[in-house]
Amino acid sequence: GQQLNQSPQSMFIQEGEDVSMNCTSSSIFNTWLWYKQDPGEGPVLLIALYKAGELTSNGRLTAQFGITRKDSFLNISASIPSDVGIYFCAGLPHQAGTALIFGKGTTLSVSS
Amino acid sequence: DVKVTQSSRYLVKRTGEKVFLECVQDMDHENMFWYRQDPGLGLRLIYFSYDVKMKEKGDIPEGYSVSREKKERFSLILESASTNQTSMYLCASSLTGDPYEQYFGPGTRLTVT
Repeated sequence: GQQLNQSPQSMFIQEGEDVSMNCTSSSIFNTWLWYKQDPGEGPVLLIALYKAGELTSNGRLTAQFGITRKDSFLNISASIPSDVGIYFCAGLPHQAGTALIFGKGTTLSVSS
Repeated sequence: DVKVTQSSRYLVKRTGEKVFLECVQDMDHENMFWYRQDPGLGLRLIYFSYDVKMKEKGDIPEGYSVSREKKERFSLILESASTNQTSMYLCASSLTGDPYEQYFGPGTRLTVT
């Protein structure tokens, strides 16, 4: 089946640093979503992207829908300890129904 | 705000027991989903439903069944629980069509001993 390759798998950073992560696929996607999951909780939607080239911000988070429609990027600026968690990308493949495809997640650790 | 609730946060069951996991959403969403989450494997889709009494198999339906008798409620059933079904189970819901944003419940951590 279709897969999303999310990288990096984990990151260990200092408070105040900027963070970048991405998801790539060999297939075209119509929608890209970014979620954050705190330990022991369900994922929470951070940003949704619906058009190729779209750049959307949510506070210190910025995500982009790649112009090839095969990738997406999430940046976090000036990280703080509460940014710790697992970040998932999810995409809706072109010519697909309702089921999203999820990346395996990027685990972010922030030291103060 | 969209609210998706799951009946239990933590559950401990014995091998061979029948287990019911309940999920309720309050936003009149047509679609509901069940995932399991395991370290290193990410989120894997078990079943989803796009309407009352309708269901579709996901990537790993073996050992599970589902029930959707009402629009707001989607149940996951483990007919005979096994230790390899120990996992975090997540329910989600979404509207049909654009946007395709899925909203998740808090999860149920199931341990089968």
